[in-house]
Amino acid sequence: QSALTQPASVSGSPGQSITISCTGTNSDVGSYNLVSWYQQHPGKAPKVVIYEDRKRPSGVSTRFSGSKSGNTASLTISGLQAEDEADYYCCSYAGSNTLIFGGGTKLTVL
Amino acid sequence: QLQLQESGPGLVKPSETLSLTCTVSGGSISTNIYYWVWIRQPPGKGLEWIGTIYYSGSTYYNPSLKSRVTISVDTSKNQFSLRLSSVTATDTAVYSCARLFWTSAGTMVYYFDYWGQGTLVSVSS
Repeated sequence: QSALTQPASVSGSPGQSITISCTGTNSDVGSYNLVSWYQQHPGKAPKVVIYEDRKRPSGVSTRFSGSKSGNTASLTISGLQAEDEADYYCCSYAGSNTLIFGGGTKLTVL
Repeated sequence: QLQLQESGPGLVKPSETLSLTCTVSGGSISTNIYYWVWIRQPPGKGLEWIGTIYYSGSTYYNPSLKSRVTISVDTSKNQFSLRLSSVTATDTAVYSCARLFWTSAGTMVYYFDYWGQGTLVSVSS
């Protein structure tokens, strides 16, 4: 069970949009509509921002959106704000009640 | 408001067994729409799913750790626990417990809605 593949880092200026990819296989990302995304600020617990590939929990900004094509899921943050600077992790159901995380992406707001 | 709190030794010797407990407050662990999960994060690295338990005691483990992991639940104390045997320095990590919301209206949803703050466990002699 190898980690899902995410870029190590992405960056963008305030107001811009960025996209973080999360690539798995047809045994996890490609087989289930159960990718979730988590935002983690330093020293804090992760917070879900997207679940079921593209659904947004109540209270999460509409600037966060999720999508998926084949074995690759994506998280897009539009209208970047300084507070979005954090680590982002994808997580996918992988069958038989198992889970797999991505390696994480550090978002820097320039 | 649901709260999860990890507890256990912060230092474990190599080859020994790491033991942690997660105490759930503000809600019952015996709820059929949630699973209870252990996750770890080595310093400066990403998240790793360790394993999952249902209130009935059913367990599911990461294949890479399965031979060393045991997760158990005590519904009378609203707690679940992690044991990781034969630890080495590579097991040094922040260990967190979390609640996994797995089903809603008969549909799988599968995401973590509550996390503990995590506890650092170092493996060193």
